[in-house]
Amino acid sequence: QVQLKETGPDLVQLTQTLSITCTVSGFSLTTYNVHWVRQPPGKGLEWMGAMWNGGGTDYNSAFKSRLSISRDTSKSQVFLKMNSLQTDDTAKYFCARHHNWEYFDYWGQGVMVTVSS
Amino acid sequence: DIQMTQSPASLSASLGETVTIECRASEDIYSNLAWYQQKPGNSPQLLIYDANSLADGVPSRFSGSGSGTQYSLKINSLQSEDVASYFCQQYNNYPFTFGSGTKLEIK
Repeated sequence: QVQLKETGPDLVQLTQTLSITCTVSGFSLTTYNVHWVRQPPGKGLEWMGAMWNGGGTDYNSAFKSRLSISRDTSKSQVFLKMNSLQTDDTAKYFCARHHNWEYFDYWGQGVMVTVSS
Repeated sequence: DIQMTQSPASLSASLGETVTIECRASEDIYSNLAWYQQKPGNSPQLLIYDANSLADGVPSRFSGSGSGTQYSLKINSLQSEDVASYFCQQYNNYPFTFGSGTKLEIK
């Protein structure tokens, strides 16, 4: 069955770099796009960016040049890397499968990351 | 960016009641709208897509409607397991944007 699972650190120091891995199963990264969405504690959802099935990427301009998304199709993994972390980057980070270039039909359980000063 | 204005922010209703959550887009999104349910500590789960299509496995007491810039999610015969936050999301344009959420509680 379709599954996505995020793995990453619980705690990142201020101004450091966050790295999270999304490992997928039950589908191919060359068939489906995978997106990253985050949610600060008690708040709403924010779209961060996408890894397209063809290997390209797209980013929310809100993250300017801080964000990088890549993948390793042989390992069925998508990677998020974001630098210059601030306290307002404290959030739960989700990866999600993009159905038919429209909505998100499967989500990972998320990884909660706290940025500490 | 398309702004999604969702209301109300919170809602308290009795078991068996019908509730409606609204979402307004800052421009026409041509029914490219999804609704998600998020229970505490869990990830969002797809309820409705294309404004009014029920996702697989979602109870028929959930329904979506709307067009243009105005959309709504209706829950009939409220059940205890419906306690959750609900979010709308437009996928007409990038960046994808979400409503701020509605927290539904049982009275």
